[in-house]
Amino acid sequence: DTEVTQTPKHLVMGMTNKKSLKCEQHMGHRAMYWYKQKAKKPPELMFVYSYEKLSINESVPSRFSPECPNSSLLNLHLHALQPEDSALYLCASSQSGAVETQYFGPGTRLLVL
Amino acid sequence: AQSVTQLDSHVSVSEGTPVLLRCNYSSSYSPSLFWYVQHPNKGLQLLLKYTSAATLVKGINGFEAEFKKSETSFHLTKPSAHMSDAAEYFCAVSGSRNSGNTPLVFGKGTRLSVIA
Repeated sequence: DTEVTQTPKHLVMGMTNKKSLKCEQHMGHRAMYWYKQKAKKPPELMFVYSYEKLSINESVPSRFSPECPNSSLLNLHLHALQPEDSALYLCASSQSGAVETQYFGPGTRLLVL
Repeated sequence: AQSVTQLDSHVSVSEGTPVLLRCNYSSSYSPSLFWYVQHPNKGLQLLLKYTSAATLVKGINGFEAEFKKSETSFHLTKPSAHMSDAAEYFCAVSGSRNSGNTPLVFGKGTRLSVIA
């Protein structure tokens, strides 16, 4: 099973809302990733968790707050977002590092009004 | 530093004809190379990967790619296009270095259209 699940599939939020995106994998992977993808663009890396510790933060604004409660779960907490944050947010996981194959979830389509 | 250049932003082929999607890479480390496909409003699906084993890599759905170090290329091919192949294709590179692996770097993508 190479499945990564993400909820919700779609999310509409106002600029003053607080919401969370969730990602789950049961492949025993120890690295998990958040990417942001704008229309007709490649995914852009936001955060990397390795063994449940944040290992890479690609200078993402603090209105995005990642959390890794355990090795199977990854959350992305959203607060005071801007309309330009509207995008597809993709979660991925891999065995233990970037060279290992990353398996992607279907994404959460976020619209900020 | 690592980078990927996908030489065509859009490729259009007729159903049943060969597909060629071109990718050139640059890497300061021993590269691992990947091709992913993304159908509309979907996540990325791995087609195939090269990780310093055989230079000709076979993937899913009849796709294959050949790693050519001398040309720093990793082009994706398929002998006969199917309508369901219409999608966005991303080439990506990662590197192995003494201090650990480097993050995955994606090309800008190639949109494949298949004409009936």
